[in-house]
Amino acid sequence: QKEVEQDPGPLSVPEGAIVSLNCTYSNSAFQYFMWYRQYSRKGPELLMYTYSSGNKEDGRFTAQVDKSSKYISLFIRDSQPSDSATYLCAMSARSGGTSGSRLTFGEGTQLTVNP
Amino acid sequence: DAGVIQSPRHEVTEMGQEVTLRCKPISGHDYLFWYRQTMMRGLELLIYFNNNVPIDDSGMPEDRFSAKMPNASFSTLKIQPSEPRDSAVYFCASRRGTGAGELFFGEGSRLTVL
Repeated sequence: QKEVEQDPGPLSVPEGAIVSLNCTYSNSAFQYFMWYRQYSRKGPELLMYTYSSGNKEDGRFTAQVDKSSKYISLFIRDSQPSDSATYLCAMSARSGGTSGSRLTFGEGTQLTVNP
Repeated sequence: DAGVIQSPRHEVTEMGQEVTLRCKPISGHDYLFWYRQTMMRGLELLIYFNNNVPIDDSGMPEDRFSAKMPNASFSTLKIQPSEPRDSAVYFCASRRGTGAGELFFGEGSRLTVL
């Protein structure tokens, strides 16, 4: 079983839709949770970062972490064609030591927002 | 800053040939990571360095793969001999500090082994 599971999609939505992307994980040591966005033929770039459980909002994006369920989500409101990309969840254990330096990624969900 | 710089962007080679991928991390970053991305397996960590020292190479698939970081501004990933199953996009990333600091990726080196 993979440490991080993410539905690869593809996911296709109309412009303006609310998008929900999710990951589950098995390693209870994970404490830092991130979402990276990757445009076609580019490297991933950090979109959202949260520590431990809770919500974080940044403009149209909201990241949620539920450590009790080992489940994280990214919501995109009023989705735009420019949001079309692959979204990868990523996690790491508490900082310090070698385990705190590894970032484990999900497979990524390919999202297309149609005008 | 120019960001993480990788070369070559594209490489097409024949099975059995040696491949060398290069990376220049962001100045001041003390961690450097090599990842491989494929459709089947997603983004996999191959090896990472801290202050030029390899810390964890457990993701390196075989002895055909080797990585070096002779100084803080340069790293190489070498595949010798290359095989068709090595075809993938190889990313270099760097970060300042441990824990959850933001990882900055290069644009990747797309390798095709015929």
